Amino acid sequence: ETGVTQTPRHLVMGMTNKKSLKCEQHLGHNAMYWYKQSAKKPLELMFVYNFKEQTENNSVPSRFSPECPNSSHLFLHLHTLQPEDSALYLCASSQEGVALSATIYFGEGSWLTVV
Amino acid sequence: GENVEQHPSTLSVQEGDSAVIKCTYSDSASNYFPWYKQELGKGPQLIIDIRSNVGEKKDQRIAVTLNKTAKHFSLHITETQPEDSAVYFCAATPDSNYQLIWGAGTKLIIKP
Repeated sequence: ETGVTQTPRHLVMGMTNKKSLKCEQHLGHNAMYWYKQSAKKPLELMFVYNFKEQTENNSVPSRFSPECPNSSHLFLHLHTLQPEDSALYLCASSQEGVALSATIYFGEGSWLTVV
Repeated sequence: GENVEQHPSTLSVQEGDSAVIKCTYSDSASNYFPWYKQELGKGPQLIIDIRSNVGEKKDQRIAVTLNKTAKHFSLHITETQPEDSAVYFCAATPDSNYQLIWGAGTKLIIKP
């Protein structure tokens, strides 16, 4: 148990569906992240929120829409996805930014399959 | 921008032997280098890290070494055990406060 909880753990959706991934952290951290993990590729940072404000958006397609209502919750809204979006989506949090050597705590991930 | 290369992609060692995973980075301004371990069905978890003002750091059976001149750093695991089987990721930080640049991962297999 890392203190970062993601739901659902598995999601299968059609290309025309709209779904959301949810993340909650119980660590009192200030920063939250969405990462995409594909097989045999480096982790790809998608979005970063610091004190609920988005600080990074790594050229992610608009079919992925993040939402951070407070410092403990993070959502990733999904719509009109493509099959190549199938991957493990990891939520993470940290007390401070990584340049300050902050440990990143990851959730167990949400496996997404787009059919 | 920063680029991190990690080798090998798969490493198989006999239980009790040592394992070494190597990473190289491109941005000489990078100053923080963590290693994460990802077990099956779980998210990555920090196991050890090193800052650029230190050449080596140890934590029981795990050590990390950093060569700033050559821009590479390595993870060393001694006396490997079955529970060391996992995927290991290295990472480096460039200037961005939140951007870790990750290696592609090494799948470590410990043979009984």
